[in-house]
Amino acid sequence: EPEVTQTPSHQVTQMGQEVILRCVPISNHLYFYWYRQILGQKVEFLVSFYNNEISEKSEIFDDQFSVERPDGSNFTLKIRSTKLEDSAMYFCASNPGQGYNEQFFGPGTRLTVL
Amino acid sequence: GNSVTQMEGPVTLSEEAFLTINCTYTATGYPSLFWYVQYPGEGLQLLLKATKADDKGSNKGFEATYRKETTSFHLEKGSVQVSDSAVYFCALRSAQGGSEKLVFGKGTKLTVNP
Repeated sequence: EPEVTQTPSHQVTQMGQEVILRCVPISNHLYFYWYRQILGQKVEFLVSFYNNEISEKSEIFDDQFSVERPDGSNFTLKIRSTKLEDSAMYFCASNPGQGYNEQFFGPGTRLTVL
Repeated sequence: GNSVTQMEGPVTLSEEAFLTINCTYTATGYPSLFWYVQYPGEGLQLLLKATKADDKGSNKGFEATYRKETTSFHLEKGSVQVSDSAVYFCALRSAQGGSEKLVFGKGTKLTVNP
């Protein structure tokens, strides 16, 4: 069964460094998402992406964050200058198309900022 | 704005016990409602969903009924197994404004002992 994959599973970085989290959504899916979960807190929406542009973003998704679909398979989240409070589990998700309710999630990348 | 409130955990049960995890929501219109499950070390998996009032979602012995009058979507299972030990997330997707994002509750950790 097709699934969303994410790499790395765990990323440790120093405060102020740039990180890129990678996701491979399910082939032929059209909508892509990033969510994050700070330890012990809710899963929070960051951004949705469709047709090579951001379709929606939350207030968390400030200028430090960016997303890209550099080729036909990868979907990346970049954090330009990491802060301690960016430490969280980051989940990528994809969806076949508008009106399809289910989002399919990857296993997540745990980001630790020291 | 839209929000989901679910029962705080952790919940510990013995095998074959009855499970209820409460979930209530605040949203305009008629959102779609979901339960996602996260097994240890894995990503979020859709457990069940309901898209309109009085719909019952069911899967793997779990059930939840979309109750518009009480704005609730409680998760139930008649007889839990050790393999049901996981974190359960209630979520909604708004029906309005074209938003695709999921809004999650905090999650409820379930441990089932043999």
